[in-house]
Amino acid sequence: NAGVTQTPKFRILKIGQSMTLQCTQDMNHNYMYWYRQDPGMGLKLIYYSVGAGITDKGEVPNGYNVSRSTTEDFPLRLELAAPSQTSVYFCAVSGTSTHEQFFGPGTRLTVL
Amino acid sequence: AQKVTQAQTEISVVEKEDVTLDCVYETRDTTYYLFWYKQPPSGELVFLIRRNSFDEQNEISGRYSWNFQKSTSSFNFTITASQVVDSAVYFCALSEALGKFYFGSGTKLNVKP
Repeated sequence: NAGVTQTPKFRILKIGQSMTLQCTQDMNHNYMYWYRQDPGMGLKLIYYSVGAGITDKGEVPNGYNVSRSTTEDFPLRLELAAPSQTSVYFCAVSGTSTHEQFFGPGTRLTVL
Repeated sequence: AQKVTQAQTEISVVEKEDVTLDCVYETRDTTYYLFWYKQPPSGELVFLIRRNSFDEQNEISGRYSWNFQKSTSSFNFTITASQVVDSAVYFCALSEALGKFYFGSGTKLNVKP
């Protein structure tokens, strides 16, 4: 079992470009999350999903969009990249009863 | 207001010393969960422990122990006889509900040989 996988591992974007960060899980968990971690800081929740077709905003949703068409996939879309979006992005999943979150390896994004 | 406060930004100890990482949380919910995660230099996030708000029993796992006190809204983490491999950033986190998950800013632990 791969658990939670994220692609790409690294990416450099120019200001104004768009991209999609991919997150896939094989743990069959309903809940999925996207976080960003700025240098020297903790994680901040961007968006989360409680199941296919249902998403909601977290603490810092501006500049991002998500969709959840299947249980396995939860892509994060950046439409107009800005330097403030330079960060490490983590995807996480959790089951319905334990709240414990399992994290992917992260995507390091730099916007220049 | 911060939901989870880790006041210690960075701690340095010498190997074999004991070290306690502090975590103070804020919530009005009666049901919530507290977590500790480890982030080694390689960057991944490793789950260490989960406690729910109804279980104030302290927990010990090898050299790790956790002290949960609702009266002071604290969930402190102690490493006994620290080792160089314990060097990492440690995050405390609070979950009020499945969509409400808050991380502290982390404590960087440096264990020197």
